[in-house]
Amino acid sequence: EAGVVQSPRYKIIEKKQPVAFWCNPISGHNTLYWYRQNLGQGPELLIRYENEEAVDDSQLPKDRFSAERLKGVDSTLKIQPAELGDSAVYLCASSAGTGTYNEQFFGPGTRLTVL
Amino acid sequence: ILNVEQSPQSLHVQEGDSTNFTCSFPSSNFYALHWYRWETAKSPEALFVMTLNGDEKKKGRISATLNTKEGYSYLYIKGSQPEDSATYLCAFIGSNYQLIWGAGTKLIIKP
Repeated sequence: EAGVVQSPRYKIIEKKQPVAFWCNPISGHNTLYWYRQNLGQGPELLIRYENEEAVDDSQLPKDRFSAERLKGVDSTLKIQPAELGDSAVYLCASSAGTGTYNEQFFGPGTRLTVL
Repeated sequence: ILNVEQSPQSLHVQEGDSTNFTCSFPSSNFYALHWYRWETAKSPEALFVMTLNGDEKKKGRISATLNTKEGYSYLYIKGSQPEDSATYLCAFIGSNYQLIWGAGTKLIIKP
């Protein structure tokens, strides 16, 4: 069974540039999570989808971050414009079912460096 | 503000020794606690999903206990091996489905 796929794995951009991350969850997983992880800290939930609906985006900085999950499968997370403080690892995870917190399966992450 | 704390932040253990570390979380509005292992250059991998007070779970040499009344969970590793070197993360899920991660315990096994 294929795991969670993320691309790109690494991205280096200059500040004020836009950037987008893509995630393909495990087939059949209804719930999808985007996390940001800074060095030495735990993952910070940015947004959680159940199917195509964003059910928790309270931690998403909406002035510059946006996300979509069209058709309830793949998801894209965008930052525009990027700031120096956005340098982090962006993780995507998925889990089976909705309305509950089952075991999450993580992708390899995208390491973003903003110069 | 809900807080999840893990201690210690890092831990060096001699190969063959047993060890344990702690995840502390809010004792109210508990729904579930997850433990994950994150090896360098790999994705986080789920170890345990714990939901009931008094839960004890085991996977090989690794086990975990849960005390929801006092708000803590212990992760134990028996007979540490080099492949156990990783960061161990816990995630607290509240009854309103709020999800909060600890910063992790970085475990280094010395051969």
